[in-house]
Amino acid sequence: NAGVTQTPKFQVLKTGQSMTLQCAQDMNHEYMSWYRQDPGMGLRLIHYSVGAGITDQGEVPNGYNVSRSTTEDFPLRLLSAAPSQTSVYFCASSYSGADQETQYFGPGTRLLVL
Amino acid sequence: DQQVKQNSPSLSVQEGRISILNCDYTNSMFDYFLWYKKYPAEGPTFLISISSIKDKNEDGRFTVFLNKSAKHLSLHIVPSQPGDSAVYFCAAPGAGGTSYGKLTFGQGTILTVHP
Repeated sequence: NAGVTQTPKFQVLKTGQSMTLQCAQDMNHEYMSWYRQDPGMGLRLIHYSVGAGITDQGEVPNGYNVSRSTTEDFPLRLLSAAPSQTSVYFCASSYSGADQETQYFGPGTRLLVL
Repeated sequence: DQQVKQNSPSLSVQEGRISILNCDYTNSMFDYFLWYKKYPAEGPTFLISISSIKDKNEDGRFTVFLNKSAKHLSLHIVPSQPGDSAVYFCAAPGAGGTSYGKLTFGQGTILTVHP
């Protein structure tokens, strides 16, 4: 199992550009999430999904779109990048039915918006 | 409203000594708590958890204590090793027993263990 994979590892964008951060998992997990990590802020939830076709907003959703057409994939789209979106982005997955649900994280995508 | 808080940005300890990382929370409805460890350029990895009906959970060198009346939990690492140097996050799910893919994280504490 590859677990949770993310591409690209690093990306530089100019303000106003768009891009998609890719996330895939091969563990057949129902739940997938996107977080951003900023210094002193911990990890903050952007969007999450409880299954294919179902997504919802987290704590900081503005400027980001998601979709979940398959169980495996959960891409994060930036429609018009802003310097405030410079951050490290983590995708995570987890499964229902566990007593204590733990999330498995990808290695992260470091994004710099100029 | 920060429901999970880690008020110490950093902690430095000597190898072999105890490391104590602290976390406070405001929502008494959390069903369990988790600790994650993160190395630079890697994603967080699950370390240990504790149910809200327990006051202690131990796994090798790692022990988590929960004080519900104080809404406080702590992670003890004994003995600390240089390889424990990382960022540690405490986290909690939504109320109701499952997070549905949502976790609330503290700000993190950078632990440095000196040889």
